[in-house]
This record gives sequence, structure tokens and C-alpha cells, in this order.
Amino acid sequence: SYELTQPPSVSVSPGQTARITCSGDALPKQYVYWYQQKPGQAPVMVIYKDTERPSGIPERISGSNSGTTVTLTISGVQAEDEADYYCQSVDSSGTYVTFGGGTKLTVL
Amino acid sequence: EVQLVESGGGLIQSGGSLRLACAASEFIVSNKFINWVRQAPGKGLEWVSSIYSGGTTYYADSVKGRFTFSRDNSKNTLYLQMSSLRDDDTAIYYCVGSHCPTCGMDLWGQGTTVTVSS
Repeated sequence: SYELTQPPSVSVSPGQTARITCSGDALPKQYVYWYQQKPGQAPVMVIYKDTERPSGIPERISGSNSGTTVTLTISGVQAEDEADYYCQSVDSSGTYVTFGGGTKLTVL
Repeated sequence: EVQLVESGGGLIQSGGSLRLACAASEFIVSNKFINWVRQAPGKGLEWVSSIYSGGTTYYADSVKGRFTFSRDNSKNTLYLQMSSLRDDDTAIYYCVGSHCPTCGMDLWGQGTTVTVSS
């Protein structure tokens, strides 16, 4: 089965930039989506189609794509950004959905 | 309000069956791409199944042959029939909607908890 690889954890101080990567063989051909999940809550989509931001998501959250690795960047990190972040895509056939293992963002 | 509301979770013995429901409000489920996504306690998100607007369904290998995703257009409700349940099926099950297959999962239900006990 298709896999997406994320670092288990990322830590930054307030005001710094956090970067969370997601790697997968099919990423050059398939879109990536990012979700933020806070404790006890359902996930919320923060990036779709690699780089697009849904309405209501702050501009300091952005996405980029560099072939087999995509990156979620959070600039000027705030305490409220502390959460688990998951990337999601589909396999090369475009059929089967896959989530990355998730990255816990800690704001020091 | 546009929303998805899950129900049907509970405590079930290993080997048993359970049917989850996902009721939609303010949109027509037959026009959308809908998924079930689950999250085991303390673990990450795991895709379970998808249904396309045309009715085609797909399943993760971990549930294939045991789970069935269906839709009742007259009730605007989706169902996940789960059988031969195992301990590792214990999770919060989310019903998640998308405007299209490449639009991302932008509408999440609140989730319903399934606990499988041996």
C-alpha cells in the first residue's frame, strides 16, 4: 500500500517558522492536502491542492510542492498553532486515499 | 447549516457487527465524494472507505471484505456496515465530505466512537 512519510514531531519557539514535510512517490502526480487537529477535535483542512488555502485559514499557513516532498510552512508561529498536522493524498492510480502518520507541532 | 452527523457507535464484542450512519444536512450526499476516516486512541488518521457520486466504492485493505459503504439517497444518509469486527477496529469514525475528489476533505462530522472488546 502507498505510504506518506512525515516527521513525528517539530518544535519551534513563538514567532519562528515551522516547516513540516511529507514525502511520497506519487506526490509529483497527485495533489496533497493538509489537516490540523487539536486535542479532542475533528481535523480541519488548512491546505488543499498543494498550495491553496481554504477561506478562514490565516495567510501565515502555506503549502509548497517540490516533487516527491511537499512542505507545510507556518510563519510567525503562535501558541494556537500547536496541534497535530496530517498530510493526505492518493496513490498513483488516484483511487486510494492515504494519510501521513502525522506530525506533532510543539510551540516552545 | 451544512453538516454531517454520525451515529451508531458503541461497544461491541469482537467478531460482531455494527452499522454506522452519517446523516447530511443542507446538501445532497449523492452529489458529493464522501469518506469514512478513523482514528484509533492516541493514533493518527486512517482512511477507511470512499464513495463517489456515481456510487463507486473503495476500501482500505484493512477493512476490505468486512466493511460495506452504502448510500440511501431518499434519506440523504450514508452507512458503514461493519462485520467481523476486531480489536484494532476500535476508533473514532469520522464521516467526511468533499465537494469533489480533488477538493480535499473540507466537511468533517463530529465522529462516533466504536469500541471492540474481546
